[in-house]
Amino acid sequence: QQQVKQSPQSLIVQKGGIPIINCAYENTAFDYFPWYQQFPGKGPALLIAIRPDVSEKKEGRFTISFNKSAKQFSLHIMDSQPGDSATYFCAARGGSNYKLTFGKGTLLTVNP
Amino acid sequence: DTAVSQTPKYLVTQMGNDKSIKCEQNLGHDTMYWYKQDSKKFLKIMFSYNNKELIINETVPNRFSPKSPDKAHLNLHINSLELGDSAVYFCASSPGSYNEQFFGPGTRLTVL
Repeated sequence: QQQVKQSPQSLIVQKGGIPIINCAYENTAFDYFPWYQQFPGKGPALLIAIRPDVSEKKEGRFTISFNKSAKQFSLHIMDSQPGDSATYFCAARGGSNYKLTFGKGTLLTVNP
Repeated sequence: DTAVSQTPKYLVTQMGNDKSIKCEQNLGHDTMYWYKQDSKKFLKIMFSYNNKELIINETVPNRFSPKSPDKAHLNLHINSLELGDSAVYFCASSPGSYNEQFFGPGTRLTVL
């Protein structure tokens, strides 16, 4: 049972493009939705996160849009750069033990 | 440097062997985690300890045994290794189980 569904699996854009990665969840008890960025050979690192009482959060070139009624959230990367090429994971936290459930990841390639 | 560190970075071993992976964090965090990332990059939590107490124990074979000698260390011991155990194992820590998680660099385990 996959509680957080992430799409697309991979994404290729040109430099300056705006890649969008989407996630959907099922459990309405989730209360925190982070996005992690992972470079090859490294551990995931928190990029940006949102709580369900907010519809949008922006940090630099990264924006999360959150639709509570649809149980969906997405990551937008403005003015994407080759250095943004990485795997991006959405996640959702919920339950009494605050467990993080991850999406399956999106491999983003930004071509120069 | 303040960080989550893991040793070894690479581990190649034969089926049936017993091995351990060590994790240390010097961030002063109370909560530590082990995650498994499979060949398709899917990240799944295995265990979580808060102040040396086990709080998350996912459906993991009992060949895997975490040990937390103190709140700065969380080691993972694996008995009778199987081919399917090949993966990258990440340690993470957070100030509390409610907070942002910081991941280590990972240990790539290959079982031959």
